[in-house]
Amino acid sequence: GENVEQHPSTLSVQEGDSAVIKCTYSDSASNYFPWYKQELGKRPQLIIDIRSNVGEKKDQRIAVTLNKTAKHFSLHITETQPEDSAVYFCAATKTTGGFKTIFGAGTRLFVKA
Amino acid sequence: DTEVTQTPKHLVMGMTNKKSLKCEQHMGHRAMYWYKQKAKKPPELMFVYSYEKLSINESVPSRFSPECPNSSLLNLHLHALQPEDSALYLCASSQVSGVIDEQYFGPGTRLTVT
Repeated sequence: GENVEQHPSTLSVQEGDSAVIKCTYSDSASNYFPWYKQELGKRPQLIIDIRSNVGEKKDQRIAVTLNKTAKHFSLHITETQPEDSAVYFCAATKTTGGFKTIFGAGTRLFVKA
Repeated sequence: DTEVTQTPKHLVMGMTNKKSLKCEQHMGHRAMYWYKQKAKKPPELMFVYSYEKLSINESVPSRFSPECPNSSLLNLHLHALQPEDSALYLCASSQVSGVIDEQYFGPGTRLTVT
């Protein structure tokens, strides 16, 4: 069935270092790939997204890359700060047959000051 | 207004109770979603409404009954729930314009079934 795998499950970095989270999706009909940040007790919030007709997108310290052939997409955070500590979820959405979004299992990012 | 609101924030109910969760948005979004999120797990899609019609039901047990009275409101009616249904229930909405767009999440209702 449809699946999104996300790695690593936990990531600990020193402040100022980069963090990379990788996801793989199974449904080739997926055409939209959002990344959400969820702090403890709060709602998921979109931090960046990419559509299937784009290979890379950047927004300040955050970038996302998409390899449609390999069904891989990745989140890159540069110059990490303690306030980046949270759980990050990747997701894959397809618009055929409704707007179905499947989330990865999440990555708990710790940024040490 | 770029906010999705949900009521109540917390709900404790017994297994024989009937209760409803409510979600509201005034962004003109025509797709609305219910997700269930257990602790330390990702949100899990339950239902999707598109233009007030149910478009996706992810094989959710009938003790959960969704309703979309109009384009701004989404309800989730609960009846005869089990303790394992305790979770955070998130509502979300998005534009529908041929391509999917950002889903805006509400703060959630934390449900405890006793």
